[in-house]
Amino acid sequence: DQQVKQNSPSLSVQEGRISILNCDYTNSMFDYFLWYKKYPAEGPTFLISISSIKDKNEDGRFTVFLNKSAKHLSLHIVPSQPGDSAVYFCAAGTNRDDKIIFGKGTRLHILP
Amino acid sequence: EAQVTQNPRYLITVTGKKLTVTCSQNMNHEYMSWYRQDPGLGLRQIYYSMNVEVTDKGDVPEGYKVSRKEKRNFPLILESPSPNQTSLYFCASSPDSYNEQFFGPGTRLTVL
Repeated sequence: DQQVKQNSPSLSVQEGRISILNCDYTNSMFDYFLWYKKYPAEGPTFLISISSIKDKNEDGRFTVFLNKSAKHLSLHIVPSQPGDSAVYFCAAGTNRDDKIIFGKGTRLHILP
Repeated sequence: EAQVTQNPRYLITVTGKKLTVTCSQNMNHEYMSWYRQDPGLGLRQIYYSMNVEVTDKGDVPEGYKVSRKEKRNFPLILESPSPNQTSLYFCASSPDSYNEQFFGPGTRLTVL
């Protein structure tokens, strides 16, 4: 059973436009959510996180929105830049067992 | 420089030959974790550790062992590797499970 789902394997966005990456989850007990970015041949790097008690967190060009009733979160990148082309992973965890569950990732292509 | 190091970076071995992948962090982090990345499956947590001598299973622990005798080191042990353990492995560390994790560069393992 996949607890964290990223249903779009890939996404193409024009440079300068908004990129929206989506993530759905099934476990209502998740306490926190994180987004990571991964370039080929490198380890993932942290982008932004959000606690389950919030519905929005912003950091520069990156904003994460959490809709608990829909068990859905999204990462908005605006404006999109060429260096944003990467694989993005959504991850979630609970304070009860310290496990981290990752989604399968979405490959973002920023088009010139 | 704050970092997570893994060794070796690349390894080709044969079925049944015990191997260890080392992981070390210099950030005094409590939480350390191992993941494997496979095409179409994203990142899956193998084992994690909340502190010295405290380890627990992630989502895919079968065929793996870990130990945490020192805070900075978290080796991954494959007692009898099999071809289905061919994968890209990442070690990560963080102050605790709900904070951003810092990932190592990855170890590409091939089991023939």
